[in-house]
Amino acid sequence: NAGVTQTPKFQVLKTGQSMTLQCAQDMNHNSMYWYRQDPGMGLRLIYYSASEGTTDKGEVPNGYNVSRLNKREFSLRLESAAPSQTSVYFCASSEQTHSYEQYFGPGTRLTVT
Amino acid sequence: DQQVKQNSPSLSVQEGRISILNCDYTNSMFDYFLWYKKYPAEGPTFLISISSIKDKNEDGRFTVFLNKSAKHLSLHIVPSQPGDSAVYFCAREYGNKLVFGAGTILRVKS
Repeated sequence: NAGVTQTPKFQVLKTGQSMTLQCAQDMNHNSMYWYRQDPGMGLRLIYYSASEGTTDKGEVPNGYNVSRLNKREFSLRLESAAPSQTSVYFCASSEQTHSYEQYFGPGTRLTVT
Repeated sequence: DQQVKQNSPSLSVQEGRISILNCDYTNSMFDYFLWYKKYPAEGPTFLISISSIKDKNEDGRFTVFLNKSAKHLSLHIVPSQPGDSAVYFCAREYGNKLVFGAGTILRVKS
């Protein structure tokens, strides 16, 4: 039981490049989330998916898109990366929306130069 | 604005003593307050929660206190152990989101 996995662990992009961060969970959870963590700012919600087939914006969605591919997988796409998107990205899952007990992946450290 | 604020960026405590981490919040509309713990290069892990109908919740060495009149939340760790050294985030459940504080780095010295 791997829990929540994220790929890649590290990535360096040039401004304007695109990439997709992958996330998968094997806990049969309905809800999945994407956060970013920046120094001094805690974790901020980018997008979430309450269930397969649905996605909603969080606190900081600009510059990102998401896809809930199936119940297990939830990807985050940066279409045109900007230096302001340099951050550590965490994916999380929970049994249901409104569940405060979320399970986090190990994170992806992204640098945009 | 459903904010939570952790005003202490770091805290250093001697092993065996009590660690007290603090969090303030705005507005009083909430269901749960939470504490998450994060080690370097790992994702956060859920530690303990407290609902709005309680003043205290205890789980082993960890106790969370809620002072609704002061809009203040605290996490007590007794006794502190070196393995408790981590970043601690308070958070609140607001609607269908979690809103996190900036975190407090706890260092427990042996």
